[in-house]
Amino acid sequence: EVQLVESGGGLVQPGRSLKLSCAASGFTFSDYYMAWVRQAPTKGLEWVASISYDGGSTYYRDSVKGRFTISRDNAKSSLYLQMDSLRSEDTATYYCTEGMSWGQGVMVTVSS
Amino acid sequence: DIVMTQGALPNPVPSGESASITCRSSKSLVYKDGKTYLNWFLQRPGQSPQLLTYWTSTRASGVSERFSGSGSGTYFTLKISRVRAEDAGVYYCQQVREYPLTFGSGTKLEIK
Repeated sequence: EVQLVESGGGLVQPGRSLKLSCAASGFTFSDYYMAWVRQAPTKGLEWVASISYDGGSTYYRDSVKGRFTISRDNAKSSLYLQMDSLRSEDTATYYCTEGMSWGQGVMVTVSS
Repeated sequence: DIVMTQGALPNPVPSGESASITCRSSKSLVYKDGKTYLNWFLQRPGQSPQLLTYWTSTRASGVSERFSGSGSGTYFTLKISRVRAEDAGVYYCQQVREYPLTFGSGTKLEIK
């Protein structure tokens, strides 16, 4: 059974950093592109970033370019999202996904 | 960026009836491999999104035959036959033709 379990969320002040992790199991992690998708409270889904099989290619939405870094460790079947210079508009539930399966999400709140 | 525009439903939909959700893209979603990269998701209240169909019309594993996707180019439809209470939630279309990946704003389905 495919499982994606996010962790690392919480309350953080504007301008500070946070690193999200996603532990994957039940499939060959290195065979899949992975992505982070977020959902602000009461809002729709918003793609954040994607990473290729070996991490050689990364893609970001404009609003997070230069602030967020997606990475992966295939040996650990883990996906990461380093979030720097956080803003109030980054407040959302962040989901880890390979497209078909999604984690339960982790909440990030950016507030002073 | 490719803009995804979803239509609304005449809620609530009586149980047992059919419902169709439309989705338009601002650019053709046909890729050079001939496939059309359009996904449909359902997000039930309090849950993570669930992939329903990909490549416009291919049902994801375990998805009921009551869900059928169709369309081509820039116009797509998700039809839900014989709606049930468990179908209630917000439906999203997503283009994965090119980065940045983009979602529609969501279509809410309520069941009567």
